[in-house]
Amino acid sequence: DAEITQSPRHKITETGRQVTLACHQTWNHNNMFWYRQDLGHGLRLIHYSYGVHDTNKGEVSDGYSVSRSNTEDLPLTLESAASSQTSVYFCASSSLIQGADNEQFFGPGTRLTVL
Amino acid sequence: GENVEQHPSTLSVQEGDSAVIKCTYSDSASNYFPWYKQELGKGPQLIIDIRSNVGEKKDQRIAVTLNKTAKHFSLHITETQPEDSAVYFCAASNSGYALNFGKGTSLLVTP
Repeated sequence: DAEITQSPRHKITETGRQVTLACHQTWNHNNMFWYRQDLGHGLRLIHYSYGVHDTNKGEVSDGYSVSRSNTEDLPLTLESAASSQTSVYFCASSSLIQGADNEQFFGPGTRLTVL
Repeated sequence: GENVEQHPSTLSVQEGDSAVIKCTYSDSASNYFPWYKQELGKGPQLIIDIRSNVGEKKDQRIAVTLNKTAKHFSLHITETQPEDSAVYFCAASNSGYALNFGKGTSLLVTP
């Protein structure tokens, strides 16, 4: 069955370290998204991609970067982790066809703690 | 950009009662309005969605209504069950792709 996976599921790191969170989907979806979820803020969009080599900044992109070298993967990198980036991170994907079913399928999340 | 407000932030109902969650949006160009349910420790999952050319959509015990003029939409859950307890998010999009989410409603259904 097609799915979307995230790794690691839990990560503890130190301030200033570079961290990369992986996201892999097997639906062959063109659209992929990264969100962070914090109490009182809901889900906030970090970066998104509408296809290979396409990346776009979301609402809270400062301190994060993404690259899309293939359809299946959209890794999220924290160049220099800060305590404010302690959060639960969700990856999602959806199909390309606008006007059709635009359901976003979410991964299980990665809980990141920055000490 | 789009701003989605969701109310209430917490909601407690007795089993069998109805639950209503309301959202407003700011961008009149928004045309897609999904609702997601998130259970503890899991990612959000789509439960129902509506497009701007439709005023109401129903799927068994859940329904969504949309008022484009007032720029608000609502989720209605009837005959609530304990397994309906979860966090519910509304969202809006004007492109069909990137979503702007509300802050969520924690629904508790007590037996």
